[in-house]
Amino acid sequence: EAGVAQSPRYKIIEKRQSVAFWCNPISGHATLYWYQQILGQGPKLLIQFQNNGVVDDSQLPKDRFSAERLKGVDSTLKIQPAKLEDSAVYLCASSTPEGEAFFGQGTRLTVV
Amino acid sequence: AQSVSQHNHHVILSEAASLELGCNYSYGGTVNLFWYVQYPGQHLQLLLKYFSGDPLVKGIKGFEAEFIKSKFSFNLRKPSVQWSDTAEYFCAGEMDSSYKLIFGSGTRLLVRP
Repeated sequence: EAGVAQSPRYKIIEKRQSVAFWCNPISGHATLYWYQQILGQGPKLLIQFQNNGVVDDSQLPKDRFSAERLKGVDSTLKIQPAKLEDSAVYLCASSTPEGEAFFGQGTRLTVV
Repeated sequence: AQSVSQHNHHVILSEAASLELGCNYSYGGTVNLFWYVQYPGQHLQLLLKYFSGDPLVKGIKGFEAEFIKSKFSFNLRKPSVQWSDTAEYFCAGEMDSSYKLIFGSGTRLLVRP
């Protein structure tokens, strides 16, 4: 079974620039998550989709972060404009109906 | 508030030593609990999970965890670690069937050969 695919693997941008990350979940998984993992911390949920609807985006900084999941499959996460504190690994995951999550390799973002 | 906490941030062991990593959760209702592992340069992988039933759960690579409801704990154990167990370990909980995983801050394990 193919895993969760994410791209790019690495991204370096200057502050105030914009960036977008892409995620392709495991086929058939209705639930998709974006997590932010800052160095030395556990992953923090940014947004959770069920099919193409948002279930939870309470911790998403909506003034600069946005995410969408068109057609209930692929998803993109965008940051505009980026700040230094956005430097982190952005993880995408999808889960089975029983709630077992599978993670992608992540995108390591460095904002300089 | 719902939360998951891990007590040890860094653990250093010699090969063949026994391992126990602590995990506590804060929630009074139904929980599903997980341990994930992240080897250097790799993505998060599921070690084991507890949904219901036998509170002693066995996972991959000889790991096990025990769910103790009265202590709100789900500690990870391995009787004899190997150098290849060097990794970061995350405890996570899903509270009240929300499908929302809440992670602890992680424990970095270094196993010396």
